[in-house]
Amino acid sequence: DGGITQSPKYLFRKEGQNVTLSCEQNLNHDAMYWYRQDPGQGLRLIYYSQIVNDFQKGDIAEGYSVSREKKESFPLTVTSAQKNPTAFYLCASGPDRGHTEAFFGQGTRLTVV
Amino acid sequence: AQSVSQHNHHVILSEAASLELGCNYSYGGTVNLFWYVQYPGQHLQLLLKYFSGDPLVKGIKGFEAEFIKSKFSFNLRKPSVQWSDTAEYFCAVRHGNTGKLIFGQGTTLQVKP
Repeated sequence: DGGITQSPKYLFRKEGQNVTLSCEQNLNHDAMYWYRQDPGQGLRLIYYSQIVNDFQKGDIAEGYSVSREKKESFPLTVTSAQKNPTAFYLCASGPDRGHTEAFFGQGTRLTVV
Repeated sequence: AQSVSQHNHHVILSEAASLELGCNYSYGGTVNLFWYVQYPGQHLQLLLKYFSGDPLVKGIKGFEAEFIKSKFSFNLRKPSVQWSDTAEYFCAVRHGNTGKLIFGQGTTLQVKP
């Protein structure tokens, strides 16, 4: 089945710990994105990558890090520097060009206690 | 800064009423435009998209949107809403040069039966 897989669906961490969220796609998409969704604020772009081994900061990159070592994988690390990490995180992938939209995973809800 | 603005945060309509949700963006270059919908408990799905050509685009479930380049707008419309249209709607803009994909704050639509 083609698609985007985010894991886990729910994640709990203690304050001060780094945590890595997984995002894998088998759609052969070049571009991948990470968003944070908070009520009333829509989806805010954290990082995006147009090609393997390259990525760009989005609008709220502080406290987050990513890597893009493989085309199909774009993990997001929420570091202890992120002041308000509890949120719903969405990963998406899409073609770098062409008339096709981005597709979304089902999201990971991170709770930091 | 580049941004996407949705004018209405929360809209309440009765069934059969007409719908128009506003979306404006601030980016002067080539753009691809999207409307996504998120039904309760489900992940984001594409409603419609604009890449080029006819500025009036039709999507699924009777939705349409009009791209007005001079106004930097991409408003979503539906002539007659149904209770099943209750959801959150997001406008999104992808920059043609950078591939950056950003979203508006979202509009929650509640349709009363």
